Amino acid sequence: NAGVTQTPKFQVLKTGQSMTLQCAQDMNHEYMSWYRQDPGMGLRLIHYSVGAGITDQGEVPNGYNVSRSTTEDFPLRLLSAAPSQTSVYFCASSFGSKFTDTQYFGPGTRLTVL
Amino acid sequence: AQTVTQSQPEMSVQEAETVTLSCTYDTSENNYYLFWYKQPPSRQMILVIRQEAYKQQNATENRFSVNFQKAAKSFSLKISDSQLGDTAMYFCAFMKKTGANSKLTFGKGITLSVRP
Repeated sequence: NAGVTQTPKFQVLKTGQSMTLQCAQDMNHEYMSWYRQDPGMGLRLIHYSVGAGITDQGEVPNGYNVSRSTTEDFPLRLLSAAPSQTSVYFCASSFGSKFTDTQYFGPGTRLTVL
Repeated sequence: AQTVTQSQPEMSVQEAETVTLSCTYDTSENNYYLFWYKQPPSRQMILVIRQEAYKQQNATENRFSVNFQKAAKSFSLKISDSQLGDTAMYFCAFMKKTGANSKLTFGKGITLSVRP
């Protein structure tokens, strides 16, 4: 199993540009989530999904969209990038839909918005 | 709402020594999980150890063990026989067990350096 994969590893955007961060897992996990990590702060939940076709907002959802058309993929879209979205983004998945199982994290995407 | 506090931003330990990382949390829940995650320079988040609140016995995983004090809402991580590969950022995290959509709440993390 490849586990949780994220692409790209690094990305630089200009203010106002849009892009999609990709996340995929091959463990047949129901629960997937997106976090952002900023210096001096813990990870904060952006959006999550308890299964294909179901998504919900986390702690900091503004400026981001998600969809879950398949169990394997959970892309994160930045609609109009802003410098405040400069961060490291982590995707995670777990087996249980109630988020009670071990979380598996991807390697992260470092995003810089100029 | 739950909060997780890691008050020490940095710690340093000599190789082969033992170090303890502190974590406190605040919750009104009775059933929950606590986690320690390791984030090495590769940035990937790696689960180190997990504790279920209803279990009185402290969790252990090889050189890693926790001191879980439920009444004090304290959850410290002890690393024995520290190795250079233990150098990383460590995050304490909380998750309530009940409810349809429980989520992880992270502390700010602590940077651990292991000196040769």
